[in-house]
Amino acid sequence: GAVVSQHPSWVICKSGTSVKIECRSLDFQATTMFWYRQFPKQSLMLMATSNEGSKATYEQGVEKDKFLINHASLTLSTLTVTSAHPEDSSFYICSVRNSGRGPLGETQYFGPGTRLLVL
Amino acid sequence: QKEVEQDPGPLSVPEGAIVSLNCTYSNSAFQYFMWYRQYSRKGPELLMYTYSSGNKEDGRFTAQVDKSSKYISLFIRDSQPSDSATYLCAMSRAGANSKLTFGKGITLSVRP
Repeated sequence: GAVVSQHPSWVICKSGTSVKIECRSLDFQATTMFWYRQFPKQSLMLMATSNEGSKATYEQGVEKDKFLINHASLTLSTLTVTSAHPEDSSFYICSVRNSGRGPLGETQYFGPGTRLLVL
Repeated sequence: QKEVEQDPGPLSVPEGAIVSLNCTYSNSAFQYFMWYRQYSRKGPELLMYTYSSGNKEDGRFTAQVDKSSKYISLFIRDSQPSDSATYLCAMSRAGANSKLTFGKGITLSVRP
């Protein structure tokens, strides 16, 4: 499968600060990346779809001014949690969509995740 | 009714057992079906993917899709303690803007 990296793997920050999480596609160029968050013992919740060179598409209920997404290149997308609060503490995971044809083209490969703790 | 339903578990089996994990779905537009394995504090790892109905085998893992019944399964043969993880089914429609819809996941524990 494709290799996707995330940085940092974990971060602790004070309430009110901003945190940037990077997601890199190491195996292929990805026009589409996705950002998810996951709370303990729950499934993944899609936050937004990140398209290279255009604005991200946010899911209903996700504040786009709070979760800034930038997809400036075909291998890098960033998620910035602005003015973080304790309720933003979660596990953030990015994924890369395989842009090839056929069944594999509909699969997503996930990064290792970033654990955010806001104090 | 949720689009994808997955047995909540948890599930505990002895080493060597055959494990059957299942999901049902309601959206007939789903064409692609995947199983992901997620270890604690890690991102999901793609295990199996299938397109439309049928079976697919990869080592100890077999994925089955029955579109007429809107039912998918993952079988694990000769289960190992290293298979202990959360298993998520996922599915999507065709198309460039398709998103994955996940089941809630089931936690499997394989006892040595």
